[in-house]
Amino acid sequence: TQLLEQSPQFLSIQEGENLTVYCNSSSVFSSLQWYRQEPGEGPVLLVTVVTGGEVKKLKRLTFQFGDARKDSSLHITAAQPGDTGLYLCAGEGDDYKLSFGAGTTVTVRA
Amino acid sequence: DAGVIQSPRHEVTEMGQEVTLRCKPISGHNSLFWYRQTMMRGLELLIYFNNNVPIDDSGMPEDRFSAKMPNASFSTLKIQPSEPRDSAVYFCASSPQGIGYNEQFFGPGTRLTVL
Repeated sequence: TQLLEQSPQFLSIQEGENLTVYCNSSSVFSSLQWYRQEPGEGPVLLVTVVTGGEVKKLKRLTFQFGDARKDSSLHITAAQPGDTGLYLCAGEGDDYKLSFGAGTTVTVRA
Repeated sequence: DAGVIQSPRHEVTEMGQEVTLRCKPISGHNSLFWYRQTMMRGLELLIYFNNNVPIDDSGMPEDRFSAKMPNASFSTLKIQPSEPRDSAVYFCASSPQGIGYNEQFFGPGTRLTVL
């Protein structure tokens, strides 16, 4: 059983469309991170959110941390083929360890 | 600035053989993590070190797995004897613990296939 549940598991959209990926848990985290992983490579950190209700923007990507610090979302505006990849959320517990969600595979078609 | 370095990138071995995976963390990072990634179970933490000391090895699946960090710039993950169910991608990550949050930097991984 995953501590963090991500949805959807797969997402395929056309270039220019918007998408949202969700990360939910019953646990409270001291921080929540989003990573993107491309085939044959390791995950790369996109953002860290730490405050309940926090919103961070990274160009066309918007990350939100829930008020209770249990859930998060990633929204991509006007997706491009370069956004294709596996998106992973990870929650940091009091023990400093990260618990990863199963990931959302995003495919953006040109 | 070099990132986390792992070797080999690919390893194919036969059941029963010993396998050793290697990792060089980012210079100055004092925490090192070993993960295993499979389609079925996703990314799982196996063990992590802080200042070369193993802190939590509760994710190590069984006694066949062992990890060492003899110094700040090198770590190994050993599987002996290997089994087909060990086939996975193994990642090493490092983090500058004590500075901000546990933001991890991953290596490119070692794809292990046990026949």
